[in-house]
Amino acid sequence: DADVTQTPRNRITKTGKRIMLECSQTKGHDRMYWYRQDPGLGLRLIYYSFDVKDINKGEISDGYSVSRQAQAKFSLSLESAIPNQTALYFCATSDFGLAGGGGTQYFGPGTRLLVL
Amino acid sequence: GQQLNQSPQSMFIQEGEDVSMNCTSSSIFNTWLWYKQDPGEGPVLLIALYKAGELTSNGRLTAQFGITRKDSFLNISASIPSDVGIYFCAGRRLASGGNQFYFGTGTSLTVIP
Repeated sequence: DADVTQTPRNRITKTGKRIMLECSQTKGHDRMYWYRQDPGLGLRLIYYSFDVKDINKGEISDGYSVSRQAQAKFSLSLESAIPNQTALYFCATSDFGLAGGGGTQYFGPGTRLLVL
Repeated sequence: GQQLNQSPQSMFIQEGEDVSMNCTSSSIFNTWLWYKQDPGEGPVLLIALYKAGELTSNGRLTAQFGITRKDSFLNISASIPSDVGIYFCAGRRLASGGNQFYFGTGTSLTVIP
């Protein structure tokens, strides 16, 4: 079984709709992340959470919100979807990692979102 | 946000050839990671490097953590068709409370049989 799972894998929605992408992990990591990937732009951080009570904005958080329901679950919402939010979305987890080592990130399989 | 400088952007090589790609940054990192991504899938971790100067292998893949902690390279020896994909580097730095990760823009590898 995959360590990091995302649902749905594919989603088509219309402009103005609210949608939620879900992420679950069995790695026991405290830290979880949401990224979007666009062609030629690499991975960009939307939100991240270092534990259940911690939520932080990434570089492109506008138009998105997140909820950390439990250590293993981190969901991303698009409040009112717009076409330029069409992208591939990835959830990731990481362990703590000290300054001298550790800190490896693991990705889910991605959700392909199309906003019409 | 910060992106790492990854080169080359794309490579077209013959099966059996060796491949080399690298990432550089203006800032130091505590960890360097190399991923491979197949179309429509999430990045899969290939190699993790935790110490400056560290050289680590995973089968035909070898990666090194640069001495200055500002760069890393990945080599693939004797390429095969299933090596096709996009390879990403990532650097990890400690931020207040936890980790921050920064990514390269990827190297697209095509292997010609």
